[in-house]
Amino acid sequence: KNEVEQSPQNLTAQEGEFITINCSYSVGISALHWLQQHPGGGIVSLFMLSSGKKKHGRLIATINIQEKHSSLHITASHPRDSAVYICAVDTGNQFYFGTGTSLTVIP
Amino acid sequence: DADVTQTPRNRITKTGKRIMLECSQTKGHDRMYWYRQDPGLGLRLIYYSFDVKDINKGEISDGYSVSRQAQAKFSLSLESAIPNQTALYFCATSDHNGVAAYNEQFFGPGTRLTVL
Repeated sequence: KNEVEQSPQNLTAQEGEFITINCSYSVGISALHWLQQHPGGGIVSLFMLSSGKKKHGRLIATINIQEKHSSLHITASHPRDSAVYICAVDTGNQFYFGTGTSLTVIP
Repeated sequence: DADVTQTPRNRITKTGKRIMLECSQTKGHDRMYWYRQDPGLGLRLIYYSFDVKDINKGEISDGYSVSRQAQAKFSLSLESAIPNQTALYFCATSDHNGVAAYNEQFFGPGTRLTVL
């Protein structure tokens, strides 16, 4: 049983395209996180959401608590956005992680 | 200097050996976590600790043990390593002041462990 499901698993885009990565979860949460894992393995936090929408540069994250769904959007994608994007939910005690979406942006 | 450090960064060992992975943090966070990452499975929680005297098993604790030596240090041990423990291991920390919005996790750089 996967508490967090992401789609798509893999995504290839041309530079400049608008990208959407989806996350659905099945548990009660206090917050949802979007993480970025670089090819070298390091993981950084992009967003924490408990409601609504957040924007940071070309990245936008939204969450619909009633539908238990979140999306990560990248506008004007660039090759440096190539990474694995991971959705994680915080139940208050534990974090559960999606398997990640591997994004490749081609120049 | 990195806020969350892990040692070693890479380790190759043989079946049956005892291995310790160490994690240190300078963020002053109470909560620390150990995860493993396997291809296609995502991050899975091994153990977590909310303070020095509070240690909890995660989803996949069998074959592992931990020690919280101080607020800043959280070690993961494999008492008798086996090949299916070959994985990328991450330590993470978070702060918790009762407001979920501040419960961001900060990850160490990871330890790549290979058990032959």
